[in-house]
Amino acid sequence: DIQMTQSPSSLSASVGDRVTITCQASQDISNYLNWYQQKPGKAPKLLIYDASNLETGVPSRFSGSGSGTDFTFTISSLQPEDIATYYCQQYDNLPLFGGGTKVEIK
Amino acid sequence: EVQLVESGGGLVQPGGSLRLSCAASGFTFSDHYMDWVRQAPGKGLEWVGRTRNKANSYTTEYAASVKGRFTISRDDSKNSLYLQMNSLKTEDTAVYYCARVTTVAPGGGAFDIWGQGTMVTVSS
Repeated sequence: DIQMTQSPSSLSASVGDRVTITCQASQDISNYLNWYQQKPGKAPKLLIYDASNLETGVPSRFSGSGSGTDFTFTISSLQPEDIATYYCQQYDNLPLFGGGTKVEIK
Repeated sequence: EVQLVESGGGLVQPGGSLRLSCAASGFTFSDHYMDWVRQAPGKGLEWVGRTRNKANSYTTEYAASVKGRFTISRDDSKNSLYLQMNSLKTEDTAVYYCARVTTVAPGGGAFDIWGQGTMVTVSS
């Protein structure tokens, strides 16, 4: 079975900082990797699909990259409204989510 | 407006059953795979299962943690998705979301539309 390792589990950064989250798959998943944002008490929201494609309506400060086993999610300039938990999700076979990264403001 | 609305959550005793529903609107429901995803209190997201579309014979898949206890079905004439949960355990306590899958590739795709979630509490 594929395992997804997402890191860090939490981070604290200042407004305007560049924030990077990584997701590593235990085997090659090509570009079958999505990223979601979840705010407290809300459903997740799709931000990035197929590793690097920005979902319609999502601000351009969010980006994704990678293929194979190593993937990166970046917020180029952290904004107060970006406080949330972020999840990666692979779909090479059946869906599997990473453990999540809680992003807080320093 | 594209929308998914879950219902049917509540409190149930261990060993009991519950049926969740998800009403879809604003898109061609029958074209899409549909999944259930859950989130235990304070925990991360866990995929529960999938029903594929008619073109893929309405086949279903389940996470190992629920296989044999949960059954996913759909009624395309009613634009509705269902999750029948039997032999419930305390560890099934979670918010349950239905979600639309973007593609009909073998592994599916992304979850681009989510419901608001319905809480299931399994406790005596």
